[in-house]
Amino acid sequence: RKEVEQDPGPFNVPEGATVAFNCTYSNSASQSFFWYRQDCRKEPKLLMSVYSSGNEDGRFTAQLNRASQYISLLIRDSKLSDSATYLCVVKPVSSYKLIFGSGTRLLVRP
Amino acid sequence: DGGITQSPKYLFRKEGQNVTLSCEQNLNHDAMYWYRQDPGQGLRLIYYSQIVNDFQKGDIAEGYSVSREKKESFPLTVTSAQKNPTAFYLCASRGQGMGQPQHFGDGTRLSIL
Repeated sequence: RKEVEQDPGPFNVPEGATVAFNCTYSNSASQSFFWYRQDCRKEPKLLMSVYSSGNEDGRFTAQLNRASQYISLLIRDSKLSDSATYLCVVKPVSSYKLIFGSGTRLLVRP
Repeated sequence: DGGITQSPKYLFRKEGQNVTLSCEQNLNHDAMYWYRQDPGQGLRLIYYSQIVNDFQKGDIAEGYSVSREKKESFPLTVTSAQKNPTAFYLCASRGQGMGQPQHFGDGTRLSIL
C-alpha cells in the first residue's frame, strides 16, 4: 500500500463547478499535511497547509480527519486557471521527509 | 527576493558523462532535498540533507551523488551509472518547525544526447 494515495483522475468539470479531491495516508503518526498545485512542466507550489480544525482560503477548503487518516480539498466556483495537478503531501513525525501523493489531475472546461 | 535557484534550466548529457545540477537557496533553511519526476509520474526522493555536511539516501539514490558543504548549496551529480537519467529534477528546501512546508526551485530538465 502506498503511504499517500490519491485518485489520479482526471476530473473534468465545467467552469463554476465544485470539485472535491480526497487523499488517504497510511502513517497514523503523521503530523503535518499540505496541498500543493503543480502546473504542466512546472515545479509544485504550496496551495495550503491543512490544519486539524479545517481551513479555508478563498474558494479552497481543506479538511483533515485523523481518525480515518483522510485529507480532502474542496474547490468551489472552479476557474479555467484551476486546471492543474493537485498533490497531497504528508509529513510523518520524527522525519525530515515529506511524502508526496502521485497527484490528482483537474481539467476545468469552458 | 528569497528563494531557491536551480541551474541550468535545461541540460544534455552524453553517454558516460557525469553532470552536476546546481541548487542554491537564500531562505536560511537547514533541510534540502532532491527529487526526480518522470513524465506523468509523481515525485521520487533521491537524496536529502538535514544539515551541513550530512545527507541521507532517498528512495532512488543509485547513480546519483550529492554534497552539502554549505548551508545554501546542495548540488546533485548524475553519474554515468544512472542509465536512464532523462527526467525533471526538482530541488526543495524546508525550514525548521513542525508545520513548515517545502519550497521548490523551478527545476532542471535533463536529457540524453
